[in-house]
Amino acid sequence: DGGITQSPKYLFRKEGQNVTLSCEQNLNHDAMYWYRQDPGQGLRLIYYSQIVNDFQKGDIAEGYSVSREKKESFPLTVTSAQKNPTAFYLCASSRGGQSPRYTFGSGTRLTVV
Amino acid sequence: GQQVMQIPQYQHVQEGEDFTTYCNSSTTLSNIQWYKQRPGGHPVFLIQLVKSGEVKKQKRLTFQFGEAKKNSSLHITATQTTDVGTYFCAGRNNNDMRFGAGTRLTVKP
Repeated sequence: DGGITQSPKYLFRKEGQNVTLSCEQNLNHDAMYWYRQDPGQGLRLIYYSQIVNDFQKGDIAEGYSVSREKKESFPLTVTSAQKNPTAFYLCASSRGGQSPRYTFGSGTRLTVV
Repeated sequence: GQQVMQIPQYQHVQEGEDFTTYCNSSTTLSNIQWYKQRPGGHPVFLIQLVKSGEVKKQKRLTFQFGEAKKNSSLHITATQTTDVGTYFCAGRNNNDMRFGAGTRLTVKP
């Protein structure tokens, strides 16, 4: 079955360490996205990529980095510069076009101690 | 920039009661989508509305898009415990898609 896979489901890191969250999709979608979700809040866009080897900053890109070397993969690195990294991170993908629906991964819950 | 406001933030109902969540945009939208996130889960696409004044139904769920394409609502008739979760709207203006903060629905059996 086609889908989007995020790993790991839970991740614990010490403060000051960089950490990379994985996102892989086999839906042949062109666009991929990273969102951050905090308790009681909506989804805030971190980065997005509409095509391989290209990506754009979202609303809260500071302290994060991404790469899009393959169509299927869009890893997110949470750097030590991110002041409050503990959150639920959601990866999504969509087809191109004007009104694509998003398919979300199951998310990674990152806790920094 | 574009903002999408969603109310209420929380709604607790008795099973069998109706539920409505509202979404308002600061700008005219090209379309609006609705997603449901079950507790501990991830958002799942429910529906997309494109036309002014559009109304779509999915069993007990009724979705509306305002005439001015700046607001939308999701109404659930006779809620069931399976309806629990957070409902998000997502409004698109050109290439900019914004999610509302979501309405968290709890249902008491």
